[in-house]
Amino acid sequence: DTGVSQNPRHKITKRGQNVTFRCDPISEHNRLYWYRQTLGQGPEFLTYFQNEAQLEKSRLLSDRFSAERPKGSFSTLEIQRTEQGDSAMYLCASSPGQARGWAEAFFGQGTRLTVV
Amino acid sequence: AQSVSQHNHHVILSEAASLELGCNYSYGGTVNLFWYVQYPGQHLQLLLKYFSGDPLVKGIKGFEAEFIKSKFSFNLRKPSVQWSDTAEYFCAVSLTSGTYKYIFGTGTRLKVLA
Repeated sequence: DTGVSQNPRHKITKRGQNVTFRCDPISEHNRLYWYRQTLGQGPEFLTYFQNEAQLEKSRLLSDRFSAERPKGSFSTLEIQRTEQGDSAMYLCASSPGQARGWAEAFFGQGTRLTVV
Repeated sequence: AQSVSQHNHHVILSEAASLELGCNYSYGGTVNLFWYVQYPGQHLQLLLKYFSGDPLVKGIKGFEAEFIKSKFSFNLRKPSVQWSDTAEYFCAVSLTSGTYKYIFGTGTRLKVLA
C-alpha cells in the first residue's frame, strides 16, 4: 500500500500520560500535514511541514503538542500531559508540494485517541 | 481568517434523487477548491478539485461541482444518488500563496435510502 500510513490506529491513554503518533507520508511527498477531527466537525488544521521545516502551526497546537519531521520523511506528533479534551481523531496528510499549492492532500486512516 | 461554510449538516435522500450540497468560502484571493468524501470507516478521499479553467469540474462517481467566483461558492452536485453514496462530504479550500494549508468545512452527512 503506497498511501499515507498512520500508527497506531487507536490509542487509549490515561489523563496526564504522554502519547506519540507516527505518520509515514506517500513517498516523495514533501508536504506533510497534521489535522484533528472531532465528531461532527471537519478536519482542523494543526501544523504542516515542507520537507523537515515546520512552516505553520495553528493556535490549536498548545505547548503540550509538538510535531517533528526530522529527515523530511516520516513525522511524529507528541501530546504531553494528555487531557480529556485531546480525545479526537488525528489525521495526517501529504501532498506533492507543487508550486503554488496546486495539489490535493492525501489522507491517512487516522489515529483515534481516547483519553480516560 | 479564511473559513469554509457548509450549510447542510445532514441530508437524507431516496435513491435516484438529485443532490446539491452547498459550500461557501471566505477569502478574497485566488483559491484552490476541493470536495472530499469519507465513507463509513474509511479515510478521506478526493472527489474532485478545481485549480483553474473551466469552473464546472467533474469528479469520480458521477459527481460534479461548479465554482462561482462572484458568490464564493463551490457547490457539489450529482443528478441521481445511489445508496453507496451514503457518506460524509467535506468542502475544502487551499490558498495559492502564503500558506499551503487546507481549510475544511464542517461536513455534510448524507444518507441515501434504498
